[in-house]
Order: sequence, then structure tokens, then C-alpha cells
Amino acid sequence: AQKVTQAQTEISVVEKEDVTLDCVYETRDTTYYLFWYKQPPSGELVFLIRRNSFDEQNEISGRYSWNFQKSTSSFNFTITASQVVDSAVYFCALSPDTGGFKTIFGAGTRLFVKA
Amino acid sequence: GAGVSQTPSNKVTEKGKYVELRCDPISGHTALYWYRQSLGQGPEFLIYFQGTGAADDSGLPNDRFFAVRPEGSVSTLKIQRTERGDSAVYLCASSKTGFGYGYTFGSGTRLTVV
Repeated sequence: AQKVTQAQTEISVVEKEDVTLDCVYETRDTTYYLFWYKQPPSGELVFLIRRNSFDEQNEISGRYSWNFQKSTSSFNFTITASQVVDSAVYFCALSPDTGGFKTIFGAGTRLFVKA
Repeated sequence: GAGVSQTPSNKVTEKGKYVELRCDPISGHTALYWYRQSLGQGPEFLIYFQGTGAADDSGLPNDRFFAVRPEGSVSTLKIQRTERGDSAVYLCASSKTGFGYGYTFGSGTRLTVV
């Protein structure tokens, strides 16, 4: 089965706290891509990052960082010093090689950042 | 265009009617996707176009759903004999050709069947 699980439905933090959004994926493919998207209240999904299955190097972009671990099939997303503007629904997604070009999305984690 | 444009942004229709949803992708993006998002869920794949042809329509729920992209740019998703269960946000996305590119999504069309 090809699947993405985001176990956290909602997370609420206070501004300046760090927060980690969990993502676990399932695929038998050895070649695949993983993604994170952000869906703010306005509704439009915004691409944040992609990672291919052969690159386990962690990535940092400003306050955002991503931890990819093939051993645990996880691709977690951490926001450092969260801000109110980070409030959104975040989706983890998987594009397996044998899936054609379709992307499989998790159910999303809704993040509330309170001032 | 600068982004992916979807029209209309909202559509309310009566059960049994026919609707068309339009997507205008980013210029130069040959890959175009339709997804459907129900409340509280992640986007669910419907169909993928590479150029003019539907390369993968395995996500279309039944034969009431059909999509076209006649000139390899604008795409139309058509739903016949709409049912209340079709109510959702229909998302269009485009990307460069190839495996593993991130999508640029439109704002979606919120379809409500009453």
C-alpha cells in the first residue's frame, strides 16, 4: 500500500514555541519523493519542500527544518519560534515511482499558533 | 499566467445538473492535475494530463466525471448528473513534466450540490 499518515490532527502552540509535525509514509518503491505543503486559511496549497528517497540529508530553510529518516519511514517538519502567520493546515505527501505522477496526500495537521 | 487560475471559485448547483469547472495552468507547465478535497481531508487524486492526453484517470470516481485538455493548456472537469456527495473543493495543479516536481495549486472551485 502507498499511504501517508499524519497522526496529529490539530496542534495548538503559543507564539515562539517550537513545533514538530509528524509524517509517516508507506511505500514499497525504492524511488519516491516526499513533499510538504501549507494550506493557509485563504485555502490555496503552497509547496514548501520536496525530498527524494536517495537524499536523507536534513534541510533547513529559515525557521523551517525537515528531518527525513528512511529507517523509520518518517519525514517530520519542525517550525522553530513559531509565529501567528504559521497557522495553517500542513500536508505531507508522497509520490512513489510506480504511482505515475500522482501524489498521495496525508489528511493534514492543523496548526494553531496563538499570540 | 503567473499562477494557476480556476473558475468559478464557487458553484452551487442542484442535484442532477451538469457542471463544468475550468483550470488555466501556469504557462509552460505540461503536467496538469485535478484533485478533490473534502472537508478535513487531504487532496485526493482524480486525473493527470500530460499535454493533451489523460495519462492517468484512475482517480475519477465513476463515469459521471470526465475531464479534457484539448489544446494542452486549459482543462475542464465535467460532472454529469451531480449528486450531493460530489460537494467538495476541486483543486487544479500544474507542474513541469517529470517525476517528483512540486505542484503549483490553484485556489480551487468549491462545488456545493443542493
